[in-house]
Amino acid sequence: DAGVIQSPRHEVTEMGQEVTLRCKPISGHDYLFWYRQTMMRGLELLIYFNNNVPIDDSGMPEDRFSAKMPNASFSTLKIQPSEPRDSAVYFCASSHPQLETQYFGPGTRLLVL
Amino acid sequence: GENVEQHPSTLSVQEGDSAVIKCTYSDSASNYFPWYKQELGKRPQLIIDIRSNVGEKKDQRIAVTLNKTAKHFSLHITETQPEDSAVYFCVNTGFQKLVFGTGTRLLVSP
Repeated sequence: DAGVIQSPRHEVTEMGQEVTLRCKPISGHDYLFWYRQTMMRGLELLIYFNNNVPIDDSGMPEDRFSAKMPNASFSTLKIQPSEPRDSAVYFCASSHPQLETQYFGPGTRLLVL
Repeated sequence: GENVEQHPSTLSVQEGDSAVIKCTYSDSASNYFPWYKQELGKRPQLIIDIRSNVGEKKDQRIAVTLNKTAKHFSLHITETQPEDSAVYFCVNTGFQKLVFGTGTRLLVSP
């Protein structure tokens, strides 16, 4: 198995632009998590899905952030409009079942200028 | 609440010494206690975990101990090596969600 796949690996954009991050979980994993990591705030859980359904989005910082999981093998995290304070590394992780080992993707390093 | 307190925030040791990192949690319902290691520029990876029905678990040079009464669990690394240098996170799994600790930056000097 290739593990959790994220794209792009690096993204540089200008303030106000839309940013879409993508994730493909490990096949057979029914939980998918989106995290954000910064020096100031550490590793934060933004949202997680179970069987493609969002279960807890209490970590999503504001309405500019949205996440979808249209099928078991694909999820997106969208930021619109982006702001410099959104600059961070965004990780996707998957697991089965929920509280067992989480496998993280390589992350997307986002820089908003 | 959901918070987990992790100490120390940084830890410097000489190669061969032992390192101990401690986490305190608040949710009595927590029954799964994982530890993740994140090397510089890499993704977090699970290194060891323990369930509430045991008090200690070992895997070579790494061990985790759990004290449910005091609500704390600790990571122990013996015979540290330079490749152990990384950030280590404990995780609180109470309230049916995962909350990562603030991390401990471990530096092992040759």
